[in-house]
Amino acid sequence: DAGVTQSPTHLIKTRGQQVTLRCSPKSGHDTVSWYQQALGQGPQFIFQYYEEEERQRGNFPDRFSGHQFPNYSSELNVNALLLGDSALYLCASSTGLYNEQFFGPGTRLTVL
Amino acid sequence: DAKTTQPNSMESNEEEPVHLPCNHSTISGTDYIHWYRQLPSQGPEYVIHGLTSNVNNRMASLAIAEDRKSSTLILHRATLRDAAVYYCILRGNTGTASKLTFGTGTRLQVTL
Repeated sequence: DAGVTQSPTHLIKTRGQQVTLRCSPKSGHDTVSWYQQALGQGPQFIFQYYEEEERQRGNFPDRFSGHQFPNYSSELNVNALLLGDSALYLCASSTGLYNEQFFGPGTRLTVL
Repeated sequence: DAKTTQPNSMESNEEEPVHLPCNHSTISGTDYIHWYRQLPSQGPEYVIHGLTSNVNNRMASLAIAEDRKSSTLILHRATLRDAAVYYCILRGNTGTASKLTFGTGTRLQVTL
């Protein structure tokens, strides 16, 4: 049984560009949450999707947007990239909003 | 969000028990105490959670103080594979409590 998968593994972009990160949840899971982890810090919650809707959002600007597809997979989009957006982006899936979250290995984004 | 306080780092010898403390003096009556850990170059993984009673699973034990203002994660026999950052997180089960709010955690070093 595959766990949570994320693509790509690494990504390098320049300031002002746009990026799309992808996440496939663990089999049987219907909820996807996204987190940003800066170097040396704990993950910070970006937003959560359930039934193809954004259910909750953390303190991130509108440049960060997402989508959940009918097969429960999800995308995270970041527009107008800033140097400070360089981080590890983690996707987590769960059954419902409040159960244990299973994390993927993350996508390392570097903005130059 | 209720805040947790953990030591920045701890060390342990292999095969010895490890007690990782967490203070959460502002915990509310509906907050569950969750522990996640993050091994190097991986996403976080769930360890254990509890509300009031002590909990055991195959990975660890969770001891919760009677007043619930502190808790301790117990690894009964640390191995080198347990070297990770351990996060203590308070999480409710209604409303906006579905997100995980990570602090900086405790970095556990395990030596031979």
